[in-house]
Amino acid sequence: GNSVTQMEGPVTLSEEAFLTINCTYTATGYPSLFWYVQYPGEGLQLLLKATKADDKGSNKGFEATYRKETTSFHLEKGSVQVSDSAVYFCALRGSARQLTFGSGTQLTVLP
Amino acid sequence: EADIYQTPRYLVIGTGKKITLECSQTMGHDKMYWYQQDPGMELHLIHYSYGVNSTEKGDLSSESTVSRIRTEHFPLTLESARPSHTSQYLCASSDGGAGDTQYFGPGTRLTVL
Repeated sequence: GNSVTQMEGPVTLSEEAFLTINCTYTATGYPSLFWYVQYPGEGLQLLLKATKADDKGSNKGFEATYRKETTSFHLEKGSVQVSDSAVYFCALRGSARQLTFGSGTQLTVLP
Repeated sequence: EADIYQTPRYLVIGTGKKITLECSQTMGHDKMYWYQQDPGMELHLIHYSYGVNSTEKGDLSSESTVSRIRTEHFPLTLESARPSHTSQYLCASSDGGAGDTQYFGPGTRLTVL
């Protein structure tokens, strides 16, 4: 079956630091890949997505590239802000049309 | 911006009560989903629907039930709430487009005493 393995947290960074949250997946076929963000007390918001190999999703300074050869979709941001503090979820949608989520990574950015 | 709504946002009730968590979306999406999110943050699919009068159970067994009588409405019901039902419940809908992106509501945090 499908699975998503996400870098364990929590992750604590200083403002303006570089962020990487690793995500690897196992799936048959050609899944679509997503990063969602959850701010405290809220639901999940779509951050970015990629639907085929070598696609790069980007939004709000965050980027992730769909790497089929390494089955990865790592999330990166060059300079994090305090407002980026949240939980980040990597997810895939395979042929079953349902999302499979990673376990989430808590990010705290300190001023 | 997705238009998907959940009520109530917070609910504290006693054991044995019947409750219904409401979820509605104004995007005309055929597909809707309910997830349960545990304190460790993991999300588990408990119900989904691909259209009116269509409902299926998800990966995680749940004592809750759902109905889909109208496209825009996907309520979740617990006939007799127990403390083990205490959790965050997230509703989502998807557009069927490229990647079939799911859009989430704000969630209902349920506490059963």
